Amino acid sequence: AQTVTQSQPEMSVQEAETVTLSCTYDTSESNYYLFWYKQPPSRQMILVIRQEAYKQQNATENRFSVNFQKAAKSFSLKISDSQLGDTAMYFCAFFVPNTGNQFYFGTGTSLTVIP
Amino acid sequence: DGGITQSPKYLFRKEGQNVTLSCEQNLNHDAMYWYRQDPGQGLRLIYYSQIVNDFQKGDIAEGYSVSREKKESFPLTVTSAQKNPTAFYLCASSTEGLAVYEQYFGPGTRLTVT
Repeated sequence: AQTVTQSQPEMSVQEAETVTLSCTYDTSESNYYLFWYKQPPSRQMILVIRQEAYKQQNATENRFSVNFQKAAKSFSLKISDSQLGDTAMYFCAFFVPNTGNQFYFGTGTSLTVIP
Repeated sequence: DGGITQSPKYLFRKEGQNVTLSCEQNLNHDAMYWYRQDPGQGLRLIYYSQIVNDFQKGDIAEGYSVSREKKESFPLTVTSAQKNPTAFYLCASSTEGLAVYEQYFGPGTRLTVT
C-alpha cells in the first residue's frame, strides 16, 4: 500500500526565517514522483515543487527546496526567507505511474508565518 | 486561460436530496479526479477517470456517483445515501504528457447539507 505521513500538524515560523516541513512515504515502487502542494486560506491548491524519484539532485523553486532521501523515503520541504503569504496548509503527495494513476496525499501541515 | 472550473463555490441542500457538483477543464487532460476534504484531514479520493466513459472508485466512493461523457467534464453527484455529505470538494485533472505527472486543481465547492 502507498502511504504518506506528515507528522507535524501545525508549525509556525518568524517572517524571514527558514522552516522545514517533514514528509515520509512508503512504497515498494522504484519509479515515482513527489510533490508539495500549498493550500492558502482561499483553499486553491497550488503546486509548490515536484521531484522525480530517479533524479538524485534535490529540486528547488526560488525560496522552496526539498531534501529528498530516497533510501529513507523522506521528502522534506524547506522554505527560506519565509513570507506572510506562505501561511497555508502544505500537503505532501506522491504518484506512481502505471499503478492506477492515483495521487496519494498526506494529512497536511498548517504553517503560520508570524510577522 | 486554461484551467479547471467548479461551480458553484458554495452549495446548500436539504438532507435527502441528491446534488450534482460541476467540474470542467479546458487543459485537454485525460485524467480527472474528485476529492473530499474535511477539517484536519488530507484529501480523500472519491472517484477518478483516466479516459472518457471510464472511471474507478476511490477510497470513499460510497454515496457518490460520477459520469465522464466528455473529456472536459466530470460531474460528481452526492446522493442521499452519503451519510455525511457536508464537506469541501475538490476536482483535479492531470496529464501524462512528457511524463510530467502533476495535478491541477479547481477552486473547490463547499457543500453544506442540513
